[in-house]
Amino acid sequence: KQEVTQIPAALSVPEGENLVLNCSFTDSAIYNLQWFRQDPGKGLTSLLLIQSSQREQTSGRLNASLDKSSGRSTLYIAASQPGDSATYLCAVNPEISSNTGKLIFGQGTTLQVKP
Amino acid sequence: EAQVTQNPRYLITVTGKKLTVTCSQNMNHEYMSWYRQDPGLGLRQIYYSMNVEVTDKGDVPEGYKVSRKEKRNFPLILESPSPNQTSLYFCASSFEPQGWVSSGANVLTFGAGSRLTVL
Repeated sequence: KQEVTQIPAALSVPEGENLVLNCSFTDSAIYNLQWFRQDPGKGLTSLLLIQSSQREQTSGRLNASLDKSSGRSTLYIAASQPGDSATYLCAVNPEISSNTGKLIFGQGTTLQVKP
Repeated sequence: EAQVTQNPRYLITVTGKKLTVTCSQNMNHEYMSWYRQDPGLGLRQIYYSMNVEVTDKGDVPEGYKVSRKEKRNFPLILESPSPNQTSLYFCASSFEPQGWVSSGANVLTFGAGSRLTVL
């Protein structure tokens, strides 16, 4: 059974700091891995999607890496800003779930960036 | 604006009183899905739909029903709500299931969530 774990559960950093969020998954048979941002009252927003054949994806100050064989992904946020404060969720799309579109989510890392 | 709209956003109800959470998307997506989010358990898929009149169970379908009579709408029905259905519910849609088309053009778009409390 696929399980997704995110460490740490919460993180507080001063503005301007570079930071790394970690995600691990137990079964390497995945189609892709996505990072989402969740803001209270605003649902989930997809940040980056890494296909299983890719090693990393970048969008602005965000860089996500994927090591499928070891079951790990990291989300790197450069020069953090107070507006980055949110909960970040990692989700995998297992190959076995290709006909359901199901994503398996981690429980998230809640980030607070202090001015 | 491309979006997934859920209603109601907040609801407090009592055990056994039937309710429907509506979900509508304006992106002509074929795939739609419902998730519930609970502390310590994360998001779990309730039901999904590949297209009109095509629906199937996810991981936690007990106590829920869905229908897909039109492409844009995918309501979640709680026939007889119970306190263990107190949760934050999300509707999501994409052109295809994530495993069929793995690209940025097929990202899953989520609604803002519906917080349901069953007393």
